[in-house]
Amino acid sequence: EVELLESGGGSVQPGGSLKLSCAASGFPFNTYAMNWVRQAPGKGLEWVSGTTINGAGMHYADSVRGRFTISRDTSKNTLYLEMNSLRDEDTAVYYCTKALLGTNGCFDSWGQGTLVTVSS
Amino acid sequence: DIQMTQSPPSLSASVGDRVTITCRASQAINIYLAWFQQKPGKAPKSLIYGASSLQSGVPSRFSGSGSGTDFTLTISSLQPEDFATYYCQQYKLHPLTFGGGTKVEMK
Repeated sequence: EVELLESGGGSVQPGGSLKLSCAASGFPFNTYAMNWVRQAPGKGLEWVSGTTINGAGMHYADSVRGRFTISRDTSKNTLYLEMNSLRDEDTAVYYCTKALLGTNGCFDSWGQGTLVTVSS
Repeated sequence: DIQMTQSPPSLSASVGDRVTITCRASQAINIYLAWFQQKPGKAPKSLIYGASSLQSGVPSRFSGSGSGTDFTLTISSLQPEDFATYYCQQYKLHPLTFGGGTKVEMK
């Protein structure tokens, strides 16, 4: 059974940094593209970033490009999202998602999410 | 960027009703369209990919159709556990984009 377990969320001041982790299990991690999707309180879903199966290809939403970095460690079956220069508008629940085999952006599994709060 | 527009933003329905939600893309996306269900305080659940293919374990009362720019999610007979918010998402081009959501409420 696929399991995605996010961690690393918390409260941080504007301008601060956080690094999210997503521990994956139940599938061959190095065979699937992975993505991060966020949801601000009371709002809809927003795609944040994605990485291809080998990590060579990375994509970012304009709202986070240059501030966030996605990476993956296949030896640890873990996806990361390093977030710098955080802003109030980055406050959201961040979900790790697994892509459908052979696609980069079609999600078939979601983690439970981790809450990031940016506030002074 | 491809804009995804869902309608209606909300609807009221009763158990047993047939429910239809539409999603329109600002440019053609072939069938690179997915649907998700989200209940309050929970992570989204993947329902449909490729516009009409059901994810594993999704009940057959859910169906999707469309291609190009216009898509539909249909629930043939609404069940109590189907009251939730539904989102469409295109995955033809980056940045990946979602519709604004449709909240299905109990009448």
